[in-house]
Amino acid sequence: AQSVSQHNHHVILSEAASLELGCNYSYGGTVNLFWYVQYPGQHLQLLLKYFSGDPLVKGIKGFEAEFIKSKFSFNLRKPSVQWSDTAEYFCAVNVPNGNNRLAFGKGNQVVVIP
Amino acid sequence: KAGVTQTPRYLIKTRGQQVTLSCSPISGHRSVSWYQQTPGQGLQFLFEYFSETQRNKGNFPGRFSGRQFSNSRSEMNVSTLELGDSALYLCASSPQLEPRANVLTFGAGSRLTVL
Repeated sequence: AQSVSQHNHHVILSEAASLELGCNYSYGGTVNLFWYVQYPGQHLQLLLKYFSGDPLVKGIKGFEAEFIKSKFSFNLRKPSVQWSDTAEYFCAVNVPNGNNRLAFGKGNQVVVIP
Repeated sequence: KAGVTQTPRYLIKTRGQQVTLSCSPISGHRSVSWYQQTPGQGLQFLFEYFSETQRNKGNFPGRFSGRQFSNSRSEMNVSTLELGDSALYLCASSPQLEPRANVLTFGAGSRLTVL
């Protein structure tokens, strides 16, 4: 089964700072890639996804992620964070073989200080 | 349109009891998946149902089971509860099984506490 690694579980930064969260997965074949976000007290929401094509994908709220196949990575970035970006961020991988099963990373707890 | 609805939102049980959680997917969605979320293990896949059939199962003991009804609503059951079953149980729905455009929409979860 595929595994997903997210490092630096706790991230604290100030408003306007840049954010980059790393995500690495272990599967060698074709994958679908996702970033989900869980704001305090809210349910998991899709931030962005990659299925194919341009490896640089843009999501909601100014987030973007880059798929680097040779590094098995799908890192999330935002150039300038806001206090409202305080949340937990999860990277997830799906192997497209007829099911929707997601393997999630352990998440990154991001706290943005005003 | 309404999102994924999970009931109950919170419940407390004691060891040895059993629990049933319910999930109503987005209208028109035929695939329902269940995940367990804990601080230590993160989000772990339990199972996925499509057209009333279990399509995929995660690495959980047989105490965890589920089913899907003809209207796509799903239930999961945990029997002989253990303290370690305390978790947030998330349901997610999607229109169909994976073609590459599929995305899961998650519900708010049912938070189970086992005493």
